[in-house]
Parts: sequence; structure tokens; C-alpha cells
Amino acid sequence: DADVTQTPRNRITKTGKRIMLECSQTKGHDRMYWYRQDPGLGLRLIYYSFDVKDINKGEISDGYSVSRQAQAKFSLSLESAIPNQTALYFCATSRVAGTRNEQFFGPGTRLTVL
Amino acid sequence: KQEVTQIPAALSVPEGENLVLNCSFTDSAIYNLQWFRQDPGKGLTSLLLIQSSQREQTSGRLNASLDKSSGRSTLYIAASQPGDSATYLCAVFNDYKLSFGAGTTVTVRA
Repeated sequence: DADVTQTPRNRITKTGKRIMLECSQTKGHDRMYWYRQDPGLGLRLIYYSFDVKDINKGEISDGYSVSRQAQAKFSLSLESAIPNQTALYFCATSRVAGTRNEQFFGPGTRLTVL
Repeated sequence: KQEVTQIPAALSVPEGENLVLNCSFTDSAIYNLQWFRQDPGKGLTSLLLIQSSQREQTSGRLNASLDKSSGRSTLYIAASQPGDSATYLCAVFNDYKLSFGAGTTVTVRA
């Protein structure tokens, strides 16, 4: 099945460590996104990419960086993790057709920074 | 900045009752609105997408309406079942991104 996968699914790390979260998709979509979810706050956009050469900051990009290695792969890095980056992280993809933009989400990565 | 609000934050109903979940948004210049389901600790499953030119969408027991001019959408779930227990998220797409509400957590009691 065409899908969005994320690795790892769970990660516990310490303050100051560098962490990379990976996302792969087999949907053939051009657009990919990284979100974080915190209890009671909904999902917030970290970075988004419309194609391999087009990467943009979202509303909460400080402390994060991304790499779009291929159309199907989009990685999120925390250069020096801090406890308030403890959250559930989601990757998503979409293909735009006119005004229709339907997003499909991966299963999430639960990150805990101690 | 687009603000999306979902009220109530939590809802508990007996099995068989119809569910009504509300979503409001501040900027009516949207391209589409998407309803998602999220089970605890899991990813988001897309339930319905309504384009800005549409008034409603239906899928099985689910029906979603959109009133763009008043900035509102409603998700109806008919004849609720315990398996419908989950958090339901509303998201609107304008400019380049989705803006999410915080969700309504639904519990359907057997």
C-alpha cells in the first residue's frame, strides 16, 4: 500500500544530543511537511517542502532543521535537543490538484528529551 | 493568522446517539477543510475533505458541512458506536498550510 512511514517510532534522548527523525513516502506526492503535536495545542507546522529544492520554515522552526534527500524522503533534525522539544512529531504528504490539498499523515514519532 | 477552534473539547455519549462536532475558523479565505480522526498515541486518519466550493461531504455514517462565510464546519456521526471513540481534529487549508484545531475527544459508552 502507498504509505507514509516514520522512523524511529519512539525515541528517548538527553538534552544537548543531536537527533534525526526520518520520513519516507510511497504516495508519489511532491509536498511534504513536519508537524509537532503537544497536548491541548493541536498540530503546529515546523517545516514544509514543495519539492526537493523548495524548503520553507513553518510557524515553529527555531531549533529544527530539515533535509529533503529525494522526492520520497524528508528528514527532521534537532541539532541540540532540549526538554521542551518533547512532543509527538508527524510527517505528512500532499498533492495539490487545483484548490484541493489533502494531507496524509505518518504514524508519528514520540520524542522524549530528558 | 488563521485560528481554528473546536468546541467542546470533550464529549461523552451513550452508544447509538448521534454525534455533532463543531469547528470554527477566523479567516474564511480557505481552499478546503479536512476532518481527521486520531486514536491515542497514533497518527491522523483523514475522514473527509470539503473543498471551499462545496457545502457538504458524506462518507458512510459521517457527514461534514461547511459554511465558509460564517467560518464554520460541523461533523455529524450517525448512530455512534464504541469504536468511534477517538479525538477528532478539524484543519483548514489556506495559503500554504493546514491550521489545526485542538480537537474534540469523543467517548462512546457501551
